[in-house]
Amino acid sequence: QKEVEQDPGPLSVPEGAIVSLNCTYSNSAFQYFMWYRQYSRKGPELLMYTYSSGNKEDGRFTAQVDKSSKYISLFIRDSQPSDSATYLCAILNTGTASKLTFGTGTRLQVTL
Amino acid sequence: DAGVIQSPRHEVTEMGQEVTLRCKPISGHNSLFWYRQTMMRGLELLIYFNNNVPIDDSGMPEDRFSAKMPNASFSTLKIQPSEPRDSAVYFCASTPSWDMIEQYFGPGTRLTVT
Repeated sequence: QKEVEQDPGPLSVPEGAIVSLNCTYSNSAFQYFMWYRQYSRKGPELLMYTYSSGNKEDGRFTAQVDKSSKYISLFIRDSQPSDSATYLCAILNTGTASKLTFGTGTRLQVTL
Repeated sequence: DAGVIQSPRHEVTEMGQEVTLRCKPISGHNSLFWYRQTMMRGLELLIYFNNNVPIDDSGMPEDRFSAKMPNASFSTLKIQPSEPRDSAVYFCASTPSWDMIEQYFGPGTRLTVT
């Protein structure tokens, strides 16, 4: 079993839709939960992160962690064509310094 | 700030040839990471350095792969001899220190081995 599982998509939604992206993980020692966004032919960039359980909101984006079920989510409200990208979840156990474990990424397409 | 710089951006080579990928981290960043990204396996950490010293190379697939960081502003990832299954996008990332959460990625080198 992979440490982090993520549906690769692709996911296609109309502009203005609410998008839900999800990952599951297996190691309960993970402490930081991140979402990276990767545009085509570019490197990933950090979108937001949460520590432990709970929600974090940043504009149209909300990250949610449920440690009891080992499930993390990213919600995008009022999705825009500029949100079209691949979204990678990443998980960090601080006991291993900055060694991130990434999901394979979900490709999102927001259509006009 | 120039960001992480990688070269070349694209590399096409024949099986058996040596390939060298280069990375310049963000100035002042002390930790550097090499990743490989494929459709099947996603983004995988190959090796990372802290203050120019390799800390964890457990992700390096085999002895054909080697990485060096001779100084704080330059690192190389070498594949010798290259094989078609090495075809992937290779990313370099850096952080100010090993315990920082955010990693800053370069644009990647797209390697094709024929």
